Amino acid sequence: DSGVTQTPKHLITATGQRVTLRCSPRSGDLSVYWYQQSLDQGLQFLIQYYNGEERAKGNILERFSAQQFPDLHSELNLSSLELGDSALYFCASSVGRGGKLGGYTFGSGTRLTVV
Amino acid sequence: AQSVTQLGSHVSVSEGALVLLRCNYSSSVPPYLFWYVQYPNQGLQLLLKYTTGATLVKGINGFEAEFKKSETSFHLTKPSAHMSDAAEYFCAVWGFQGAQKLVFGQGTRLTINP
Repeated sequence: DSGVTQTPKHLITATGQRVTLRCSPRSGDLSVYWYQQSLDQGLQFLIQYYNGEERAKGNILERFSAQQFPDLHSELNLSSLELGDSALYFCASSVGRGGKLGGYTFGSGTRLTVV
Repeated sequence: AQSVTQLGSHVSVSEGALVLLRCNYSSSVPPYLFWYVQYPNQGLQLLLKYTTGATLVKGINGFEAEFKKSETSFHLTKPSAHMSDAAEYFCAVWGFQGAQKLVFGQGTRLTINP
């Protein structure tokens, strides 16, 4: 157990729907990062939060949004889902703003299947 | 400019043979470098990291990596491959182009032949 908790582990939904993925960072970590992993695109950085504030944006679609709450858990919202959104979504956390010294701790991911 | 390049998306070795996974990075400042491993249906797990100090870094499961500034490389090695080493391996660099986050390579899938 890495200490980063992601729920749900698996999600199957239909095209056009909206889903919410949840992440609880490791105790003491203030930064949360979201990644999308698919066979054709590899590991893609989506967005980063530090202590409730957005720090960096990557290849995140406009249909996707995220936030980090006062208790530091984070949610990734995916809307108007398309078949191509099927992927593994990972959350990671770090103590500081960027994980320079310690790297990131990853959760086990949410596998999203859009049918 | 590519920040992290992993040479070879697939590497196959025999059990007991040397494992060598290549990683080259782009950085204008002293780099912070990481290797992660991802076993099937799992998240990424930190194998080892180089921040400062000794350029030969030892990690978990018998892996090590050497930071070579002149070659801008951080190759991952293991003297003797085990079947359980079959996984995907990611190299990452911190601070590329001023971004205060890790940037990951495309990954190398390691297959171990019996």
